[in-house]
Amino acid sequence: QKEVEQDPGPLSVPEGAIVSLNCTYSNSAFQYFMWYRQYSRKGPELLMYTYSSGNKEDGRFTAQVDKSSKYISLFIRDSQPSDSATYLCAMSASTGKLIFGQGTTLQVKP
Amino acid sequence: EAGVVQSPRYKIIEKKQPVAFWCNPISGHNTLYWYRQNLGQGPELLIRYENEEAVDDSQLPKDRFSAERLKGVDSTLKIQPAELGDSAVYLCASSSQDRAYEQYFGPGTRLTVT
Repeated sequence: QKEVEQDPGPLSVPEGAIVSLNCTYSNSAFQYFMWYRQYSRKGPELLMYTYSSGNKEDGRFTAQVDKSSKYISLFIRDSQPSDSATYLCAMSASTGKLIFGQGTTLQVKP
Repeated sequence: EAGVVQSPRYKIIEKKQPVAFWCNPISGHNTLYWYRQNLGQGPELLIRYENEEAVDDSQLPKDRFSAERLKGVDSTLKIQPAELGDSAVYLCASSSQDRAYEQYFGPGTRLTVT
């Protein structure tokens, strides 16, 4: 079993929809939870990070961490075609080593 | 501010040939990472440097892979000899030492071994 599990999708939604992306994990030592966006043939781009449990909002993006369930989510409101990309969750204990999920491919149709 | 720079962007080689990748991190970032990303997968850490010191190379296949970071800035990752299974995207990332969770990635080098 992988330390971080993420449904690869693909996920297809109409423009303007609310998107929910999720990851589960098994290592209770993880304290930092990140979401990266990766466009085709580009490097991953850090969207948001959260320390420990709770919510964090940045514009149309909201990250949620539930450590009791070992479950994290990224919500995208009013999704746009430019949001079409692969979304990677990543987690870290205090060591700085990131463990990535497989990535979920999202397509937002105009 | 310039981001992480990597070269080359693409490389095609025959198996058993050597190959090298170069990375220049964000100015002021003393922690540098090399990741490998296979098709349809998330990046996996190969090696992490704090300044010139490799502090985590547990996932680096040392029989054929080597890395160096002279003067604590630029870094080179080498494969010799390359195998078919080495075909992947090799990503370099950097961060400040006290914010290791905030890593910034370069565009990657796409390696194809034929």
